[in-house]
Amino acid sequence: AQSVSQHNHHVILSEAASLELGCNYSYGGTVNLFWYVQYPGQHLQLLLKYFSGDPLVKGIKGFEAEFIKSKFSFNLRKPSVQWSDTAEYFCASSSGGYNKLIFGAGTRLAVHP
Amino acid sequence: DTGVSQDPRHKITKRGQNVTFRCDPISEHNRLYWYRQTLGQGPEFLTYFQNEAQLEKSRLLSDRFSAERPKGSFSTLEIQRTEQGDSAMYLCASSFRGRPQDTQYFGPGTRLTVL
Repeated sequence: AQSVSQHNHHVILSEAASLELGCNYSYGGTVNLFWYVQYPGQHLQLLLKYFSGDPLVKGIKGFEAEFIKSKFSFNLRKPSVQWSDTAEYFCASSSGGYNKLIFGAGTRLAVHP
Repeated sequence: DTGVSQDPRHKITKRGQNVTFRCDPISEHNRLYWYRQTLGQGPEFLTYFQNEAQLEKSRLLSDRFSAERPKGSFSTLEIQRTEQGDSAMYLCASSFRGRPQDTQYFGPGTRLTVL
């Protein structure tokens, strides 16, 4: 069965620090990968997605993620975080053409000014 | 595009009561999903529809849960004889099967509290 694990449940950073949130998935076949973000009081929003092609994916608000097939990883990065990036971040996967999303437990990011 | 809407946003009920939630997907989206999210966890898949056909149900969806999408537009999720363990955020998402591959857009959720 598919599963997604996120390495850190809570991350605290100062503004301008670099961010990397870990995500590992377990599925041997074709996989689609996503990062969603949930800002305080708002609903889940898509940050970026990977279906195929260039393993380095760029999303909104300066975020990017790299798909490393050999490591079953899809880590989220941002070179310089802002206070407004304070949110909960969820990694998710789906398999091939089937679209049920499997989510990780989420990482709560707090950015201090 | 007004986004996915859900109603009500909050529901408090007593154990043993029935509750029904509604989801209105983005217009022309033919796929609709229900997820459940409990505190400290990511959303868990419950069921999904393509048009009016319910194509998959999770084992999480006990026989007290039923979902419908009668005309392929809005959907309802009913929980009968609610239990305290049903307390959670119920999320709806929709997508359009086509190019690019489906991306699911989420609604704000219905927070259920069972007393």
